[in-house]
Formats: sequence, structure tokens, C-alpha cells
Amino acid sequence: QKEVEQDPGPLSVPEGAIVSLNCTYSNSAFQYFMWYRQYSRKGPELLMYTYSSGNKEDGRFTAQVDKSSKYISLFIRDSQPSDSATYLCAIKAAGNKLTFGGGTRVLVKP
Amino acid sequence: NAGVTQTPKFRVLKTGQSMTLLCAQDMNHEYMYWYRQDPGMGLRLIHYSVGEGTTAKGEVPDGYNVSRLKKQNFLLGLESAAPSQTSVYFCASSFPGQLPRLHEQYFGPGTRLTVT
Repeated sequence: QKEVEQDPGPLSVPEGAIVSLNCTYSNSAFQYFMWYRQYSRKGPELLMYTYSSGNKEDGRFTAQVDKSSKYISLFIRDSQPSDSATYLCAIKAAGNKLTFGGGTRVLVKP
Repeated sequence: NAGVTQTPKFRVLKTGQSMTLLCAQDMNHEYMYWYRQDPGMGLRLIHYSVGEGTTAKGEVPDGYNVSRLKKQNFLLGLESAAPSQTSVYFCASSFPGQLPRLHEQYFGPGTRLTVT
């Protein structure tokens, strides 16, 4: 069993819809939770990060962490075609190493 | 400020050949990493370095070697390439800073390697 599980998609939504992405993890030692966005043929870039349970908002993006269920989510409101990308969750314990989910490919159709 | 750069962008190797991938960063970051990305597998850590002259194994180190002779450069070597090493390779770097952006990693554009 992978330490971090993520549905690969693809997830296809119409422009303006809410995109809902999630990851589950198994290691209780994980403390820091991040979402990276990766456009086709590019390197990942950090989108959001949090280190506590609850919600964190940044513009159209909301990251949600439920440590008791070992479940993290990313919501994208008012989705745009430019949001079409692969979204990877990344989680880490203390230290410098990240554990990535497999990524979910999102397609926002105009 | 170029960030993280990788050389080459594409490469095709025959089984048994060797090659070196170069990663360079101009952000004065202490930590550097090499990942491989395969469909459905996410990013898997090959080797990493926490400073000049130091390296350590990651999740999938077999068949690869690394060197960090200069702080800004991190080299990944394949001594005898195998088809299983066909992948996209990403380099990343980070600065061991304070919360909340602790260990945020900055990625390069990737190297697409095909081993036939």
C-alpha cells in the first residue's frame, strides 16, 4: 500500500464548476501538507501548503486537512481552462523529504 | 534569476550506455533532490543532498549515483542504463527555512530520458 493515495483521474469539469481533489495517507507522523500544480511537460510548482487541521484559503483555492481521518482535499472554485493541469498532493513528516501522491489530472472545458 | 535548470531536456540512450544529468540552481539553496516521475507513480525520490559534499539515498536509488561537488550543482549519473530507467527526471532544491514554508521545493523543467 502506498503511503499517499490519490485518484489519477482524469477529472473533467465545465468552466466555472468547483473542482474537488483529495488524497489519503497512512503515516500518522506526517505533519505538513502541500499541493503542487504541474502543467504538461513542466516541473511541479507549489500551490498551497498547510501544517494544521482545518481549512486554508488562497483566492479561488481552499486546502482542507483532516488529520483524524488522514484525508486532505483541494477545492478550486470558479474553475478556469488555465486550471487544467495535474495536481499532486505532497506530505512530509519532520525532516526534508516529501512523499507525493500519484497526481490527479484535471481538465476544465470552456 | 533562472531558478532551477536541468541539462539536457531530452535524451535517448541504448541499454548499457551511461550518461550524466546536470542540475543547477542559483537560489543559494542548501538542499537538492533528484526525482523520477512515471505515469501513476507520482514523484519518487532517487537521491538527495543536504549540502555541498554530502549525498543520501532516497526511495529508489538503485542504478543511479550522484555528486554534489559545488553547492549550486547536483549531478545524477546512470552507469549502465536499462529500459526500466525510461522516465522523466526532475531536480528540485530547497532552503531549510522557517515555518510556514519549511522546505518548500522548487523544481526544474525536467529531463525526458528514453532507454531502448
